[in-house]
Amino acid sequence: QKEVEQNSGPLSVPEGAIASLNCTYSDRGSQSFFWYRQYSGKSPELIMSIYSNGDKEDGRFTAQLNKASQYVSLLIRDSQPSDSATYLCAVSQTGANNLFFGTGTRLTVIP
Amino acid sequence: EAGVAQSPRYKIIEKRQSVAFWCNPISGHATLYWYQQILGQGPKLLIQFQNNGVVDDSQLPKDRFSAERLKGVDSTLKIQPAKLEDSAVYLCASSLSAGGLSEQFFGPGTRLTVL
Repeated sequence: QKEVEQNSGPLSVPEGAIASLNCTYSDRGSQSFFWYRQYSGKSPELIMSIYSNGDKEDGRFTAQLNKASQYVSLLIRDSQPSDSATYLCAVSQTGANNLFFGTGTRLTVIP
Repeated sequence: EAGVAQSPRYKIIEKRQSVAFWCNPISGHATLYWYQQILGQGPKLLIQFQNNGVVDDSQLPKDRFSAERLKGVDSTLKIQPAKLEDSAVYLCASSLSAGGLSEQFFGPGTRLTVL
């Protein structure tokens, strides 16, 4: 059973702060990791992908991957009210593009 | 570049009725996925197509769900007969290839309510 675990939240941070979202996965064969943002009533939107250990930065977003600890995280710097959404962590294995999703963490950025 | 298109956006039916959803992937994307997202949960893969062939349908309830992608482009997902527990958002996604590094992009989804 492939499992992806996320803290469901809600996570509340003040505007301008750093939001830290965490995800753990059970399958050591997982090779690709993705963060999706989902606004209420909308479909998931890809915001970050990461495939190797370490950090990957894209604007205000940084994804961090530690395969030894089976842990992936997303940092959002200078959080804005528009970042308020549910963040879904998804993982897949090499050679198979089946995505396994966590239940998501609901983030609220307080103005 | 146009995104993934889905229709209808909303559907309300009574249990035991049938329903069909349509998806057109991003142009050039060989791989198409159907996911089911129940309220409060992450999306769950139902079926994956590579061109017009099925790659994975292990989580598709085959007694009531069916899907096809006859010409390797657009796809239809059908439920017959529907049950109350099928109430969910049905998401279609596509990617360039079936490889694990290929990013998936989602359509707007179809929200199904079964009464």
